[in-house]
Amino acid sequence: QKEVEQNSGPLSVPEGAIASLNCTYSDRGSQSFFWYRQYSGKSPELIMSIYSNGDKEDGRFTAQLNKASQYVSLLIRDSQPSDSATYLCAVKTGNTGNQFYFGTGTSLTVIP
Amino acid sequence: DAGVIQSPRHEVTEMGQEVTLRCKPISGHNSLFWYRQTMMRGLELLIYFNNNVPIDDSGMPEDRFSAKMPNASFSTLKIQPSEPRDSAVYFCASSFAAAGGRDTQYFGPGTRLTVL
Repeated sequence: QKEVEQNSGPLSVPEGAIASLNCTYSDRGSQSFFWYRQYSGKSPELIMSIYSNGDKEDGRFTAQLNKASQYVSLLIRDSQPSDSATYLCAVKTGNTGNQFYFGTGTSLTVIP
Repeated sequence: DAGVIQSPRHEVTEMGQEVTLRCKPISGHNSLFWYRQTMMRGLELLIYFNNNVPIDDSGMPEDRFSAKMPNASFSTLKIQPSEPRDSAVYFCASSFAAAGGRDTQYFGPGTRLTVL
């Protein structure tokens, strides 16, 4: 079983819609959770971090964490074509120092 | 802040040649990570250092790969001899491992390696 799992997609949403990206993880001791955005040919860029159960909002982005169910999600409201990218979920587990585990990413396309 | 710096940005070499990738982490960061990314396998952690000491190199694919961090501001990843299957984008990332685990990794621009 992989440490972090994501649906690879592709996920397509119309411009202005809400895009919902999901991620599950296996280590219940995980402490920190991150969402990275990666444009084609570029490096991953941090867009959200979340550490406690519940929601965390930053502009059009909302991260949701449910430790009991071991999932973390990212909602993108009012999706724009510029949001088209691959979104990587990363988890820092509780038993491996400061190593991060990355999912394989979900490809999102926002259709104008 | 200049961010994580990697060089070269692109490298094309022939099978059997030695390849050296370089990374300068963000000043003040105490952890450094080397990743490899391919379409087939996604982002794979190769090795990471904490305070210049290698902590986990279980992701290094074989003895052809080696990494060093002689000081807090420089690291190298070497492949000798290189093979076509090593073709990938290699990312370096750094973080400050603070108490409580709330550290964030920042990625460099990557080195696109092509082995012919």
